[in-house]
Amino acid sequence: EAGVVQSPRYKIIEKKQPVAFWCNPISGHNTLYWYLQNLGQGPELLIRYENEEAVDDSQLPKDRFSAERLKGVDSTLKIQPAELGDSAVYLCASSLGGAPETQYFGPGTRLLVL
Amino acid sequence: AQTVTQSQPEMSVQEAETVTLSCTYDTSESNYYLFWYKQPPSRQMILVIRQEAYKQQNATENRFSVNFQKAAKSFSLKISDSQLGDTAMYFCAFLGADSWGKLQFGAGTQVVVTP
Repeated sequence: EAGVVQSPRYKIIEKKQPVAFWCNPISGHNTLYWYLQNLGQGPELLIRYENEEAVDDSQLPKDRFSAERLKGVDSTLKIQPAELGDSAVYLCASSLGGAPETQYFGPGTRLLVL
Repeated sequence: AQTVTQSQPEMSVQEAETVTLSCTYDTSESNYYLFWYKQPPSRQMILVIRQEAYKQQNATENRFSVNFQKAAKSFSLKISDSQLGDTAMYFCAFLGADSWGKLQFGAGTQVVVTP
């Protein structure tokens, strides 16, 4: 069974540029999560989807971050414009159904903003 | 709000030895789940073990076992017969009924296994 797929694995951009991350969850997993992991810290939830619906986006900085999961499968997280402080690892995770199902993580996208 | 505390930034252990990682959490909820995840240098977060709070029996998974002390709000991970491949950052995580879906992670403990 394929795991959570994320791309790109690495991204380097200049500040004020836009950037997008893509995530494909494990087949059949209805719930998808985006996490932000700063260096030396544990991940923090940005947004959680149940199928197409964003059921928890309270931690998403909506002035510059946006996310979508149009068909309830793949998801895209976007930052526009990127700031130096956005340099971090962006992790995607999925679970079979609603909580408290175990969350399975992708390899992450490491973003460096110059 | 829940907090998860891992007080050991780094632990070193020799191959074949045993190491125990500590984790404490603060919650007023009675229904919750606890997890240990492993994050090697590749940065892939891998589930190590899961414990349901309503279960008194401690979870085990091959060489990994937990000591769950609900009253003390403690959830330690024991790695037995340590292997070089166990070198990674280990995160303790809390999932509470009041915020299903929102894993709360600790700051992590770096485990280094030496030959």
